[in-house]
Amino acid sequence: QKEVEQDPGPLSVPEGAIVSLNCTYSNSAFQYFMWYRQYSRKGPELLMYTYSSGNKEDGRFTAQVDKSSKYISLFIRDSQPSDSATYLCAMTLTGANSKLTFGKGITLSVRP
Amino acid sequence: DGGITQSPKYLFRKEGQNVTLSCEQNLNHDAMYWYRQDPGQGLRLIYYSQIVNDFQKGDIAEGYSVSREKKESFPLTVTSAQKNPTAFYLCASMQGNYGYTFGSGTRLTVV
Repeated sequence: QKEVEQDPGPLSVPEGAIVSLNCTYSNSAFQYFMWYRQYSRKGPELLMYTYSSGNKEDGRFTAQVDKSSKYISLFIRDSQPSDSATYLCAMTLTGANSKLTFGKGITLSVRP
Repeated sequence: DGGITQSPKYLFRKEGQNVTLSCEQNLNHDAMYWYRQDPGQGLRLIYYSQIVNDFQKGDIAEGYSVSREKKESFPLTVTSAQKNPTAFYLCASMQGNYGYTFGSGTRLTVV
């Protein structure tokens, strides 16, 4: 079993749709959870960062962490064509500079 | 403007040739990382360094080498021992647990 599993996709939705992206993980010691967005031929950029369980909202984006179920989600409201990208979940242990464990990423396409 | 600079953006390697990918950061981060990205395989860790003059192998270190002589710099050499080097290479840095900052990547192609 991989440490982090992410829905493989690809995913195509119409503009304005609500998008739900999900990852599950097996290591209960993970404490920090992140979502990265990667446009084609670019480096990933940090989109959302959460510590432990709970929700965090930033504009149209909401990150949700459920540590009891070992499940994290990213919701995108009112999706736009500019949201078309690959989204990677990532997580890490406590301890300074612990390396991140990534999901494989899911490619999202938002149709105008 | 703080960030990570990777160069070159595109690199072509002939069979049997060693090439070096540059990664420089001005974020004053202690830790630096090299990943390889292939379609459908996600990010795979090659090498990482948490402090100057020290580095560790990642999951796919064979055929690669690194050095960390300065805090700002973490170059990656792709040696002739790496049989399938064509990929997108990403360098990242981190301080604490606040997530990676990535460079813009180098696309390496074998010709």
